[in-house]
Amino acid sequence: NAGVTQTPKFQVLKTGQSMTLQCAQDMNHEYMSWYRQDPGMGLRLIHYSVGAGITDQGEVPNGYNVSRSTTEDFPLRLLSAAPSQTSVYFCASREDIGETQYFGPGTRLLVL
Amino acid sequence: AQKITQTQPGMFVQEKEAVTLDCTYDTSDPSYGLFWYKQPSSGEMIFLIYQGSYDQQNATEGRYSLNFQKARKSANLVISASQLGDSAMYFCAMREETYDNYGQNFVFGPGTRLSVLP
Repeated sequence: NAGVTQTPKFQVLKTGQSMTLQCAQDMNHEYMSWYRQDPGMGLRLIHYSVGAGITDQGEVPNGYNVSRSTTEDFPLRLLSAAPSQTSVYFCASREDIGETQYFGPGTRLLVL
Repeated sequence: AQKITQTQPGMFVQEKEAVTLDCTYDTSDPSYGLFWYKQPSSGEMIFLIYQGSYDQQNATEGRYSLNFQKARKSANLVISASQLGDSAMYFCAMREETYDNYGQNFVFGPGTRLSVLP
């Protein structure tokens, strides 16, 4: 099993550009989440999904969109990148609501 | 209100000694889980240990143990026989059993940076 994979590992964007951060898991987990990690603030939840076709907002959803067409994939879209979105983004998955969450390796995003 | 508090931004420990990383939490949910994750300089988040709110015994995983004091709402991580490779950020996290808000029930503390000295 590859676990949770994320691409790209690093990305530089200009303000106003859009892009999609990819996340995939091969563990057949229903629950998937996107977090951003900023210095001194731990991880904050952006969006999450409890299964294919079902998504909802987390703590900091503004400027991001998600969709979940398959169990395996949970892409995060930045609609119009802003410098405030410079961060490290983690995708995570878990089998059920009560289970341990496993993280991907992260995507480091720099918005100029 | 902050649900997870880690009051030690940074800690130093001598190699081979034990170290305790503090974590306090706030919840009114009777059923919850507590986690510790390690984040080395390479950036990945590594799951270390889990403690359920109804578990009678403190969780242990190799050199990691969780000192769970339910009445005090604390879940400190104890690392025994520290190694240089233990130098990393450590995050405490809590999962609440709020089934009406499935995804938002996993919250993290700000982290503690541990440095192991040779």
